[in-house]
Amino acid sequence: SAVISQKPSRDICQRGTSLTIQCQVDSQVTMMFWYRQQPGQSLTLIATANQGSEATYESGFVIDKFPISRPNLTFSTLTVSNMSPEDSSIYLCSVQGRGNTGELFFGEGSRLTVL
Amino acid sequence: AQRVTQPEKLLSVFKGAPVELKCNYSYSGSPELFWYVQYSRQRLQLLLRHISRESIKGFTADLNKGETSFHLKKPFAQEEDSAMYYCALSAYNNAGNMLTFGGGTRLMVKP
Repeated sequence: SAVISQKPSRDICQRGTSLTIQCQVDSQVTMMFWYRQQPGQSLTLIATANQGSEATYESGFVIDKFPISRPNLTFSTLTVSNMSPEDSSIYLCSVQGRGNTGELFFGEGSRLTVL
Repeated sequence: AQRVTQPEKLLSVFKGAPVELKCNYSYSGSPELFWYVQYSRQRLQLLLRHISRESIKGFTADLNKGETSFHLKKPFAQEEDSAMYYCALSAYNNAGNMLTFGGGTRLMVKP
């Protein structure tokens, strides 16, 4: 298993500002995933972050809006840029378990509210 | 593209009653399916995966390729089973392996 810590756990932000979410894993992992969970909705993959390369974004998500850093094998950040109320969501960091079983381990999430 | 559908947003049953949470999928490849659970104030975690053919907390799920379904079942629901349940399908995109989640079903077990 993997223990994932996310900061902040929640925040209230003003429209037009940007916020960076940090994700720390207690072990080295190749891939880290960032998901978004909008109110009352399911989880949607934003991007996959591999160490040493640019993140791969899913359809509907762009780097200018959600820049991601992956400086080493245990840490990643997701920035939500120029926020609007539609960005109010829970943002989740996750990593794969060992053995490529498909299982994901999740952080507790960062709940952002944009006013 | 892959898709996971959970037709019920809310399922309410009494304690001791059988439970079935429905999940249907569409995927052109060979599917790997999972059930994830999120209890109140806890993080999302794996409940079971089809490849293991295991029973966890009394829950089982059988992959039916003919019906493209992976329904989650438990013969006797307990109050502590109340949670949000997500069905998920593992697929490969150009970045590697990824999970596609269904919309989720909230299970409420009443005393």
